[in-house]
Amino acid sequence: TQLLEQSPQFLSIQEGENLTVYCNSSSVFSSLQWYRQEPGEGPVLLVTVVTGGEVKKLKRLTFQFGDARKDSSLHITAAQPGDTGLYLCAGAAYNDMRFGAGTRLTVKP
Amino acid sequence: KAGVTQTPRYLIKTRGQQVTLSCSPISGHRSVSWYQQTPGQGLQFLFEYFSETQRNKGNFPGRFSGRQFSNSRSEMNVSTLELGDSALYLCASSLVAELYNEQFFGPGTRLTVL
Repeated sequence: TQLLEQSPQFLSIQEGENLTVYCNSSSVFSSLQWYRQEPGEGPVLLVTVVTGGEVKKLKRLTFQFGDARKDSSLHITAAQPGDTGLYLCAGAAYNDMRFGAGTRLTVKP
Repeated sequence: KAGVTQTPRYLIKTRGQQVTLSCSPISGHRSVSWYQQTPGQGLQFLFEYFSETQRNKGNFPGRFSGRQFSNSRSEMNVSTLELGDSALYLCASSLVAELYNEQFFGPGTRLTVL
């Protein structure tokens, strides 16, 4: 059973479209991280959010941490083929880190 | 600065054998965490070492063990391999032992158990 539920599991869109992926839990986390993983590589950290309601922007990527620190979203504007990959969220609580199963994003040119 | 390195990158073993995987963290990083990644279960936390001490442990059987050396390099051992142990094993390093600290992952070791 995943403590962190990510949706959708799979997403295939055209270049230039916008998208949002979600990471939800019934647990409260002290921090939440988003990673992107490409085939044959380890996950690469994109952002860490620690404060409820926090919004962070990384170029075309916008990350939001829920007010109750139980959920998060990642919004990508004008997606590009280079955004293709597996997006993972990970929540930290009481020295334990749990990962979601991921959203596999494909951006077609 | 060199990233996290893991050796070997690929490994094929048979049931009942044991295997040792190695991880060299980024220079100066003292915390090393190990994860197992499978298509069905996703990324699952195995254990974390800091200053040669295991600080945190995930919910895995005792067949999975690890250690950390004084130079922060870490090894993970799996004994009596089972088919279900086939997975990508990832190592991540960070400066300190707080899990919310930025973790840098290696490329992983892909273990196949036949």
